[in-house]
Amino acid sequence: NAGVTQTPKFRVLKTGQSMTLLCAQDMNHEYMYWYRQDPGMGLRLIHYSVGEGTTAKGEVPDGYNVSRLKKQNFLLGLESAAPSQTSVYFCASSGQGNTEAFFGQGTRLTVV
Amino acid sequence: AQRVTQPEKLLSVFKGAPVELKCNYSYSGSPELFWYVQYSRQRLQLLLRHISRESIKGFTADLNKGETSFHLKKPFAQEEDSAMYYCALSPTGFQKLVFGTGTRLLVSP
Repeated sequence: NAGVTQTPKFRVLKTGQSMTLLCAQDMNHEYMYWYRQDPGMGLRLIHYSVGEGTTAKGEVPDGYNVSRLKKQNFLLGLESAAPSQTSVYFCASSGQGNTEAFFGQGTRLTVV
Repeated sequence: AQRVTQPEKLLSVFKGAPVELKCNYSYSGSPELFWYVQYSRQRLQLLLRHISRESIKGFTADLNKGETSFHLKKPFAQEEDSAMYYCALSPTGFQKLVFGTGTRLLVSP
C-alpha cells in the first residue's frame, strides 16, 4: 500500500538549474498539495490542486510551478533554482469529505 | 487571516512527566483542528483531530473555542514520544491545511 510517493528523495542542484519533483498517490484523492519545510517556519503551502487539471497558489508560490495532468500525479517544478529554495519538500493528498492529509516521505533539495 | 501559533519551539521533559504542547489559532469560522506528528526520519502522520475526540497513544486535545486553543496533552510522557509536533487548521468546507511552526518534544530518560 504505497500511499503518497515522492521522487526523488534527495537532490543537489546548482543555482539556475531546473528540476521537477514528482508526487504520486494511489488513494484516488481529489486534493493534492506541495509544502516546504524549513527550520523554525514549519510547513508552508507552495501550491495545491483541488482536482485534475486545476492548480492554485498557496502561501509561498514564487519560483515554483505545478501541474496536475493526471489525478494521481502532482508535479512541482523549479525553473531556475535558487539557494533560498534549499528545503525539504513534502507532498500530501486528501480525499473529498475527509480532511486528513496523507504525506509523502519528503524530498531533501539542496541548491548550491 | 488563518493562522496557527505554536509558541514553543522546544519542549524538554523527563519520562513520566506530564506534557502540554500549546496551539492557538485564528480563524473567523469554525475550522477543523489537527495534530500531526513527525518522528525522526519518518513522514508526517496524523495524530488526532478534534472532531473524533479520540485519545491516540495517550494524547488528547480539547478544542476551546473561547480561547481559540487546541492544546495537546499527555499525562505521562514516554521516550518514544520524542518527535516534532505540528498543530494544523483546515478552514470550514475546504481541505487546505495551515500548519503551525511546530514544537519539538524531547523526552529524556
